Amino acid sequence: GAVVSQHPSRVICKSGTSVKIECRSLDFQATTMFWYRQFPKQSLMLMATSNEGSKATYEQGVEKDKFLINHASLTLSTLTVTSAHPEDSSFYICSARETTLRETQYFGPGTRLLVL
Amino acid sequence: QKEVEQNSGPLSVPEGAIASLNCTYSDRVSQSFFWYRQYSGKSPELIMSIYSNGDKEDGRFTAQLNKASQYVSLLIRDSQPSDSATYLCAVRSFGNEKLTFGTGTRLTIIP
Repeated sequence: GAVVSQHPSRVICKSGTSVKIECRSLDFQATTMFWYRQFPKQSLMLMATSNEGSKATYEQGVEKDKFLINHASLTLSTLTVTSAHPEDSSFYICSARETTLRETQYFGPGTRLLVL
Repeated sequence: QKEVEQNSGPLSVPEGAIASLNCTYSDRVSQSFFWYRQYSGKSPELIMSIYSNGDKEDGRFTAQLNKASQYVSLLIRDSQPSDSATYLCAVRSFGNEKLTFGTGTRLTIIP
């Protein structure tokens, strides 16, 4: 149980295009999902917290107009990187928190984005 | 001041020995503690969770929590080369939905 999927696993795009990444909790409901970014050999950096049916909460320094987050259902959250630039190239990882007493976070497999 | 601290390593342990990973945290109202394993190029994978003082064992893994001293540790018995990875300690405080991660300890098991 507690499986989180992400799609796509890898994407290469041209500078200026937008990229949508999907995060799904496959066997549990997640009222809260989190989006992280990780650059090579660096720590996970939380970008935003996504709550079903409400606006995402962004961490300081993360541009909400550039990284659009939608959490339309209890099993799906999407991150859209708008007008991507080479500096947006990174490993994007979502996690979903199960809505039980323990509220453990489970991570998706990640999406590797390369902007040319 | 970092909220969750881990020795970045690298920590090298001979195969078959016990690997000991430590983590300290600063927020006294922390209530949930997690260890994640992250292989290079992959996303974190949950290894253990612990919520109350003492030890919690799961196979070769044992998590230890001491809230008075504000530390949590992970012991890996009979270390295998496949245990070579970065281990992330994560803490959640009461009323906070976010996890605070340490920077991770890179563990290498030497055959």
